[in-house]
Amino acid sequence: DQQVKQNSPSLSVQEGRISILNCDYTNSMFDYFLWYKKYPAEGPTFLISISSIKDKNEDGRFTVFLNKSAKHLSLHIVPSQPGDSAVYFCAASAPGGANNLFFGTGTRLTVIP
Amino acid sequence: DAGITQSPRHKVTETGTPVTLRCHQTENHRYMYWYRQDPGHGLRLIHYSYGVKDTDKGEVSDGYSVSRSKTEDFLLTLESATSSQTSVYFCAISETEYGYTFGSGTRLTVV
Repeated sequence: DQQVKQNSPSLSVQEGRISILNCDYTNSMFDYFLWYKKYPAEGPTFLISISSIKDKNEDGRFTVFLNKSAKHLSLHIVPSQPGDSAVYFCAASAPGGANNLFFGTGTRLTVIP
Repeated sequence: DAGITQSPRHKVTETGTPVTLRCHQTENHRYMYWYRQDPGHGLRLIHYSYGVKDTDKGEVSDGYSVSRSKTEDFLLTLESATSSQTSVYFCAISETEYGYTFGSGTRLTVV
């Protein structure tokens, strides 16, 4: 049963515009959320995270928003650049233990020059 | 990536043969993980380790075994490879429960 869902397998955006990637989760125990970015033939790399005590975290062009009541988070990329083209994985973590990070299925972002 | 390496990067093997993938870290992190990535499924946990000789099963552990005899090495073995195990395998390391560092992956093809 998928606890973290990314319902959009792909997204295309013009360069310079905003990219919005969405993620939904079902487990109310999740207290930390992360986004990973993956280029072809490479491993996923950490991009940005947010604690459940916050509703927004910003790092340069990347902002993550968390809506706990809706169990929804989103990643905004502004402005989008061709180098942002990659697969983005949403992940959620519950407190305690070693096996507590759950990944979504990923969204492939294509930024069109 | 610096601190974590996977070998081999690519492997083609025949159905029914055993295969071992290696993950090596130089970060002295406590936790190590093996994931597989498949289209439509994202990253699924196969096995993980929380210390030397301490391992446990993940979501998709059937057909796989692991061993961790040293902090730095985590081996994934396919006892008898099947075509359904054709995938990209990622190792990850972590010192806390937040934030994993992934290796570059091993592309395994079972023919």
